[in-house]
Amino acid sequence: AQTVTQSQPEMSVQEAETVTLSCTYDTSESDYYLFWYKQPPSRQMILVIRQEAYKQQNATENRFSVNFQKAAKSFSLKISDSQLGDAAMYFCAYRSAASGSRLTFGEGTQLTVNP
Amino acid sequence: KAGVTQTPRYLIKTRGQQVTLSCSPISGHRSVSWYQQTPGQGLQFLFEYFSETQRNKGNFPGRFSGRQFSNSRSEMNVSTLELGDSALYLCASSLVQGSTDTQYFGPGTRLTVL
Repeated sequence: AQTVTQSQPEMSVQEAETVTLSCTYDTSESDYYLFWYKQPPSRQMILVIRQEAYKQQNATENRFSVNFQKAAKSFSLKISDSQLGDAAMYFCAYRSAASGSRLTFGEGTQLTVNP
Repeated sequence: KAGVTQTPRYLIKTRGQQVTLSCSPISGHRSVSWYQQTPGQGLQFLFEYFSETQRNKGNFPGRFSGRQFSNSRSEMNVSTLELGDSALYLCASSLVQGSTDTQYFGPGTRLTVL
């Protein structure tokens, strides 16, 4: 079974600074997808960024980028120019290409942005 | 396009009762998945429906069941409620099951069991 681990329960960053959230996963599969979701206090789960395992190029979405290291099974999220609105719980998630839409989530990292 | 909607948003039940939660996916989306979120266990996959068929099931007891209708709307039912069933129940929809599509989540239903 696949597992996803986020080793940082809490992180903080100053507004306008850069922060990196860590995620590692364990799988024996070669075809899968990785995601970062954000869950603000409203509890609405919002997709931040996604990465297909077959793509070597790291995904980027505006201020959000990932460092995908397939061999190391590592998938970190970098948030540049942090904004107050980035404060939320961030979840790393794994989806096998062979198991439909089922997501396996990490424990989450609570990000605080200080003004 | 409207997002995923879930009703009701909040629910209070007592032990032994049963409850039904509803999820309406984004228009055109055919896959609906359900997740349970608790402080202790985190986010756990319950089940997935596609074209009215359950395609995946997580490790939950038989008290948890679901179904999907022809319009892709989905319901989940929990019978004989236990205190431990108190959680945020999230529904997510995607265009096609098993594709590269991304899942989009609803706002959740907060269930409290007293």
